[in-house]
Amino acid sequence: RKEVEQDPGPFNVPEGATVAFNCTYSNSASQSFFWYRQDCRKEPKLLMSVYSSGNEDGRFTAQLNRASQYISLLIRDSKLSDSATYLCVVNGGATNKLIFGTGTLLAVQP
Amino acid sequence: EPEVTQTPSHQVTQMGQEVILRCVPISNHLYFYWYRQILGQKVEFLVSFYNNEISEKSEIFDDQFSVERPDGSNFTLKIRSTKLEDSAMYFCATAKDLNQPQHFGDGTRLSIL
Repeated sequence: RKEVEQDPGPFNVPEGATVAFNCTYSNSASQSFFWYRQDCRKEPKLLMSVYSSGNEDGRFTAQLNRASQYISLLIRDSKLSDSATYLCVVNGGATNKLIFGTGTLLAVQP
Repeated sequence: EPEVTQTPSHQVTQMGQEVILRCVPISNHLYFYWYRQILGQKVEFLVSFYNNEISEKSEIFDDQFSVERPDGSNFTLKIRSTKLEDSAMYFCATAKDLNQPQHFGDGTRLSIL
């Protein structure tokens, strides 16, 4: 089983749509969870941390289910500028190294 | 907002040559990491560094790789004898402490010919 697994997409959605990304992770000992965003040939940028109680930042909502080892990201009212690859990221080990999923490509269409 | 800076942005090198990639961490960050991303693939962990020593390294980080913080500011990744398969984007990331998210530099694109 892959350490962090995501649907690679692409997800093609119209502006204004709501889109959801899912992710599963294999290491039950992982303590920190994140969604990063990566534009083409750029560095990963932190979108949001994911907390057990779920958290929201504007149009973005993240959920964590530790029992199922499942993480989700919901984007409401999609904008053209949301087009990017969304990376599910989990920390692994005592040094807090990050383990990345392959990413889900989102293309928001006008 | 403070940021992690990496140089050069693009390095083209002949196979077998040594390369040094440089990173300037955010000033109060204590934990340093290198990652790489081969074109079309996921970001992969290479090495973590704290208190002037390696704290963890991956299988990718073999004897050809080394890291150091020579002057208390730059954090460098050296590849001693490059191979074609070392061609990738190399990202430096730093964090204030283990509970804080890592901030990434904008990467060095390494092309081995």
